[in-house]
Amino acid sequence: DQQVKQNSPSLSVQEGRISILNCDYTNSMFDYFLWYKKYPAEGPTFLISISSIKDKNEDGRFTVFLNKSAKHLSLHIVPSQPGDSAVYFCAARRYGNKLVFGAGTILRVKS
Amino acid sequence: NAGVTQTPKFQVLKTGQSMTLQCAQDMNHEYMSWYRQDPGMGLRLIHYSVGAGITDQGEVPNGYNVSRSTTEDFPLRLLSAAPSQTSVYFCASRSPQGADGGYTFGSGTRLTVV
Repeated sequence: DQQVKQNSPSLSVQEGRISILNCDYTNSMFDYFLWYKKYPAEGPTFLISISSIKDKNEDGRFTVFLNKSAKHLSLHIVPSQPGDSAVYFCAARRYGNKLVFGAGTILRVKS
Repeated sequence: NAGVTQTPKFQVLKTGQSMTLQCAQDMNHEYMSWYRQDPGMGLRLIHYSVGAGITDQGEVPNGYNVSRSTTEDFPLRLLSAAPSQTSVYFCASRSPQGADGGYTFGSGTRLTVV
């Protein structure tokens, strides 16, 4: 039972344009949603999160949107830079310590 | 400030061997977790701990053991290695007071079981 799904295995975007990464979830008990970025041979790095009581959170070039009725969240990166090329994982937390991860989306930003 | 340190970075085991993956953090985080990453499956939770002396199972605990005798260390033991345990293992920690909910991850241990 995959509770967190990232349906796009990969995404290719031109430098300077917007990157939109999507994530769907099935469990309405999740209280926090997070995005992680991962480079090869490194551990995931926390990027941005959003509480289930909000619908938007911004941090510089990164914005996360949460649509609870659709059980959908998205990460917007504007403008995209070549250094943003990485694997992006969506994760959801259920009141405490456990994170459930999606399978990841490979983002390639072309210069 | 080293963050989360995992050792070793690489390991090859024979089927049936046992070993311990080490994880240490210097941020005084109460929460620690072990994940494994397999292609196309994201990261899956193996075991976690909310403090010294307290551990619990995650999504894929079979074949693994943990203990938490100190706040800093959270070792993961493979009891009898199997090829299905070939994976990249990540340890993570966070403070329950952390406002953003995010975990700090180590750089991983790549394990191959032959």
